[in-house]
Parts: sequence; structure tokens; C-alpha cells
Amino acid sequence: AQKITQTQPGMFVQEKEAVTLDCTYDTSDPSYGLFWYKQPSSGEMIFLIYQGSYDQQNATEGRYSLNFQKARKSANLVISASQLGDSAMYFCAMREKGYGQNFVFGPGTRLSVLP
Amino acid sequence: EAEVAQSPRYKITEKSQAVAFWCDPISGHATLYWYRQILGQGPELLVQFQDESVVDDSQLPKDRFSAERLKGVDSTLKIQPAELGDSAMYLCASSIGQGQVNEKLFFGSGTQLSVL
Repeated sequence: AQKITQTQPGMFVQEKEAVTLDCTYDTSDPSYGLFWYKQPSSGEMIFLIYQGSYDQQNATEGRYSLNFQKARKSANLVISASQLGDSAMYFCAMREKGYGQNFVFGPGTRLSVLP
Repeated sequence: EAEVAQSPRYKITEKSQAVAFWCDPISGHATLYWYRQILGQGPELLVQFQDESVVDDSQLPKDRFSAERLKGVDSTLKIQPAELGDSAMYLCASSIGQGQVNEKLFFGSGTQLSVL
């Protein structure tokens, strides 16, 4: 069964600094996708970044990058130049290949950006 | 940009009452998900549809919860009777449904349920 672990319940970062949010996953399927979502206090889930298991390079989307270490089964999110608006819950998620495959979320990390 | 529509945004009910939530996915999305999210935790899947068929309802408390997607488009999630422990955010999401690993989920704004 798929499983996502996020070991940091809460993180603090100073505005304009970089922060890394940890995510480890467990799967026996060689083909899978890893996702990060942001959930502000308003509740909506916002897609941030995607990494495929066969992708050779780490994914980047603006200030977001994914530090993908396949052998260690980790997919850490790096946010550069933190902004006050980055304060939110961040969820790591995984999907395996195939119809009917579940999209499994981790427990989340609450990030607080300090002015 | 197309959105997943959910209603109501908020629902307050008393225990033992019936409640229903509605979701309209992005047009053309074959896969529809209902998640329950307790405050401070990650979303947990309740039920997953592929078109009108249920592909996973293993975590749905079937004695009180039901879900349908009769025409393979919009969906309704019902709780009867509601219990205090059902207080949570109920999130609907959809994806294209082609079985590819890069299919991201598009979420609605959710329904915040409070059971008194």
C-alpha cells in the first residue's frame, strides 16, 4: 500500500529565506508521480509541482523546486525566497500508474513565514 | 480556467440529521474523488469514481455514508444520520482519468461541515 510521511508538523522560516519541507514515500510500483499541494487557511488546495518517477531532472516551478532522491524515496519541496503569503499547510501526495489508482496524501506540514 | 464546483460551502447540522453535498467536476474529467479532511490533517479518500462506477469506497462508512455519480458527471455525497465525529472539511476533486501518473487533482473549495 502507498504511504506518505511528512515528519515536520510545523516549520518556521524568515521572510526571504529558503525552506525545505520533507516528504518520504513508500511504493513498490516503479511508475509513480509525486505532487505537492498548498492549502491556505481559506481551505482551497492549490497544486504546486509535480515529479515523475522516471524524470531525470528535479522539477522546478518558479520559486518551488523538488529535491527528488529516488533511491532514498524522498521528494522534498524547496521554497526559495519565502513570502508571507507562503504561510499555509503543505501536502505531499503520490499516485501510482493505472486506472483506479488512489491519490494518497501525507499528513502535511504547516509553514509559517515570519516578517 | 475551469473549476470544480462544490456546494454548500458551509453546513451546520444537528446530530442524527441527514446532510448532502454536491460536486460538479471539470467537464470531461472521468475520475471524481470525495475526500474528508479533519482540521490539521491530510485529506483521506472516502470514495473514488471512474465515470459512474465506484472504483474505491473501502474507507467509506457505508452504514451512514452514501455516494453516487449516476450519469458520470456530477456527484452527491450523503450522510445519514450525521454524528459529531463527522465534523470536517469534505473535499471534492477531479482528474482527467486516463490512468497516467502525472494526472493532478483539481479541487473544489470544499464543504465545511459542523455537526452540533
